[in-house]
Amino acid sequence: ILNVEQSPQSLHVQEGDSTNFTCSFPSSNFYALHWYRWETAKSPEALFVMTLNGDEKKKGRISATLNTKEGYSYLYIKGSQPEDSATYLCAFYGSGNTGKLIFGQGTTLQVKP
Amino acid sequence: GAGVSQSPSNKVTEKGKDVELRCDPISGHTALYWYRQSLGQGLEFLIYFQGNSAPDKSGLPSDRFSAERTGGSVSTLTIQRTQQEDSAVYLCASSFMDRRREQYFGPGTRLTVT
Repeated sequence: ILNVEQSPQSLHVQEGDSTNFTCSFPSSNFYALHWYRWETAKSPEALFVMTLNGDEKKKGRISATLNTKEGYSYLYIKGSQPEDSATYLCAFYGSGNTGKLIFGQGTTLQVKP
Repeated sequence: GAGVSQSPSNKVTEKGKDVELRCDPISGHTALYWYRQSLGQGLEFLIYFQGNSAPDKSGLPSDRFSAERTGGSVSTLTIQRTQQEDSAVYLCASSFMDRRREQYFGPGTRLTVT
């Protein structure tokens, strides 16, 4: 059974704090690791799709790293802002998935002004 | 270009009625996925269509749920004899059939079964 775990489940931080979340996934048959941002009452939007071990991606204050050998990815948010409040989902895609992504349960971030 | 569209955006139905939810994927995307989010829950996979291959129905919660994809484009998710536990936001996503599989999500259909 393929399993994708995210931690923590939820996080409350103050505006300006930096924070990070973890996604762990199977370390074999890897194709891609996705991060999505899911705001309340909206649809998930892709932040990053990473395909190579050692990949580091950055978009503004948000960045992500990937370690496919040990099966983990970190998402970092520098200087959190209230508009960063959302659920952050990671998803694993591998050769054994028959085409579908395996999503984690998400980390819900609340940034207090 | 146009993104993934879904209709209706909201649907309120009585318990026991059938409902149809529609998804129009991004043109050129041959993979199409249905998910749902029940209250307080994460994203739950329902069904996946890949090109002309048989769909992966492994996530459908019961035989009251079915989906089809006509002409490799528009998809319809049908829920028969709706139950209150079917109340959820139903999301459709589409992607290219590549090793990235970046998902583009539609705005969702909020289904409420009374």
